[in-house]
Amino acid sequence: DIQMTQSPSSLSASVGDRVTVDCRASETISNYLSWYKQEPGKAPQLLISRASALETGVPARFSGSGSGMEFTLTITSLQPEDIATYYCQQTYRIPPTFGHGTRVEVK
Amino acid sequence: QVRLKESGGGVVQPGGSLRLTCDASGVTLSSFAMHWVRQTPQKGLEWVAFISFDGKNKYYGGSVRGRFVVSRDDSTNAIFLEMRGLRGDDTALYFCAKDRDTGSFHPWTPYDVWGQGTMVTVSS
Repeated sequence: DIQMTQSPSSLSASVGDRVTVDCRASETISNYLSWYKQEPGKAPQLLISRASALETGVPARFSGSGSGMEFTLTITSLQPEDIATYYCQQTYRIPPTFGHGTRVEVK
Repeated sequence: QVRLKESGGGVVQPGGSLRLTCDASGVTLSSFAMHWVRQTPQKGLEWVAFISFDGKNKYYGGSVRGRFVVSRDDSTNAIFLEMRGLRGDDTALYFCAKDRDTGSFHPWTPYDVWGQGTMVTVSS
């Protein structure tokens, strides 16, 4: 199975800060990488697909980049409603696998 | 509004069986592939199973292959997960999730709608 490694596992930032979350695949996955946001007690929500395609309705402060094995989720100006755990997922090879998540907190 | 709702979870003894159901509203599932994904605090999100839009292709995660079976009934707009030989490490919150794109026969597209999950606890 392809292992997805996220870093950091958690972070704390101030409102308005630029936040980045990294995701590394154990082998190349082209751009078959999605990002999900999960708020406490809720189901995951799709933010970005194919590494950089923002889903409809997702605020423009979210962006994704990368290809191959290295990917990044960026929040350009952190907002209080961004408090959540963020997961990357590869769908290049079966089984699809998720990273262990990055918990984002607001200072 | 598209909604998915899981049911059928509960407490079961090791070796027991459960059948999970995912009912959909606001969307006709027959055009979409569907997934089951489970979550635990220890292991995070784990993909469990996939069924293609037409039901002809099914894939399973390694830890459940041979014990779990995914199926669909387009007449009732629902999918199912039949779980047998349950073990303690199957304890999790089980989500069903819908493929974003129509007509998938392979699990390479992301999931745009998720249910709220149903809890499965395997314990004696």
